[in-house]
Amino acid sequence: GQNIDQPTEMTATEGAIVQINCTYQTSGFNGLFWYQQHAGEAPTFLSYNVLDGLEEKGRFSSFLSRSKGYSYLLLKELQMKDSASYLCAVMDSNYQLIWGAGTKLIIKP
Amino acid sequence: ETGVTQTPRHLVMGMTNKKSLKCEQHLGHNAMYWYKQSAKKPLELMFVYNFKEQTENNSVPSRFSPECPNSSHLFLHLHTLQPEDSALYLCASSQDTAGGAETQYFGPGTRLLVL
Repeated sequence: GQNIDQPTEMTATEGAIVQINCTYQTSGFNGLFWYQQHAGEAPTFLSYNVLDGLEEKGRFSSFLSRSKGYSYLLLKELQMKDSASYLCAVMDSNYQLIWGAGTKLIIKP
Repeated sequence: ETGVTQTPRHLVMGMTNKKSLKCEQHLGHNAMYWYKQSAKKPLELMFVYNFKEQTENNSVPSRFSPECPNSSHLFLHLHTLQPEDSALYLCASSQDTAGGAETQYFGPGTRLLVL
């Protein structure tokens, strides 16, 4: 079966760096997405990786290793507003998104 | 604002009621999706429409009935729901579903409680 694993919850300190990992086993691979979802709000698109390596976008970076079935989202200079759930999703060979359960990130002052 | 709106934002209904959820996208997209989001579970894809045609129905019970009158509007008609159907129902849209990894843009969801 298809499976996406990510930690349920993480805690970090304001101003610090946090890495949220995602591992996947899917039928084919057409890219990996990261979304941010604040409580009671819409998931919003953060990044898309289809090739191996690191993509940097401001304070957020996303890394992909297709051979290892692994990705991470790196958040730098954490701010209180970064408290949210972070969803990892992989697009399979049928271009269908397979979702992880999300990682709830708690930022403490 | 993601360009996708949903109404109502909150809904409480009894098991014998009939209600409808509405989604509208202002992005000029051709594909629209319904997802169910339950606490601590992955998003569950329910239905996909591409150019108003249903292309995916992930074994969803018949008490959920989708309708897509045009590429900008999507409805989810609800009847005789069960308490386990209580969840956040998310609508999303993308350019289309064919031939590429299209980013999906989500609405804020309807929080549904079935009593």
